[in-house]
Amino acid sequence: SQTIHQWPATLVQPVGSPLSLECTVEGTSNPNLYWYRQAAGRGLQLLFYSVGIGQISSEVPQNLSASRPQDRQFILSSKKLLLSDSGFYLCAWSPDRDGYTFGSGTRLTVV
Amino acid sequence: GENVEQHPSTLSVQEGDSAVIKCTYSDSASNYFPWYKQELGKGPQLIIDIRSNVGEKKDQRIAVTLNKTAKHFSLHITETQPEDSAVYFCAASLNAGNMLTFGGGTRLMVKP
Repeated sequence: SQTIHQWPATLVQPVGSPLSLECTVEGTSNPNLYWYRQAAGRGLQLLFYSVGIGQISSEVPQNLSASRPQDRQFILSSKKLLLSDSGFYLCAWSPDRDGYTFGSGTRLTVV
Repeated sequence: GENVEQHPSTLSVQEGDSAVIKCTYSDSASNYFPWYKQELGKGPQLIIDIRSNVGEKKDQRIAVTLNKTAKHFSLHITETQPEDSAVYFCAASLNAGNMLTFGGGTRLMVKP
C-alpha cells in the first residue's frame, strides 16, 4: 500500500536560519508531489508541485525553493527564513484513485 | 483555470443537527470532487468524493450531491457529533489524478 512520510512534525527556527523539510512516498512510482502551506486558520496555499525528478513548478514566488532529487522524494528548502514563513507545511501526492493523499504536516515556527 | 468557492467559512451546529457545506466551481470540464476533513494539527484526510457521472453519494452520516448544470456540489453531515468538529475542504479537478483546486475551507463546530 502507498504511504507518505513527512518530517519533522514540529520545528522552531530563528530568523535567517536555513530550512529543509522532507517528504517521501512509498508504494508507488512517478507520483505527482505537492507542497502546501497553511497559515493559522487559513486555507491551503499551493507552493510547489512536481511531475517528475528535477521538474519543479512554483506557484508563489517567495523565500522558499523545492527539489526532487529522487522519484519519491520531495524537499522544501530555504536559505534564510523569514518570520512570514511560519505556518503548517503539508506534502501531498497523486495520482491516487482517490485524489490526493496528504502527509501529517510540519508545524514551522520562525522566531 | 479552475476556481472553487466554499461557503460558509464557519458553521456552528448543535449536536444531532445536520450541517451543509456548499461549493461552486468555474470549470465545466471538472469531473472529480473530493471532500477533505482536517482535524487540528493534522493533514487533511479524504472523507468522500464524487465523480461527474453520479449525482449523489452516501457513506453513513455523510453525503455529497453534485449539480453539474449549476456547477455546485455540497457536503451533508447528518446527526452531527462533537468529533465532526474540524475544518472541511472541498476541491475540484479534471480527474482523480490531476491537480486539485481547493475551496477556502469551512470550520465546523458541533456543540454538545
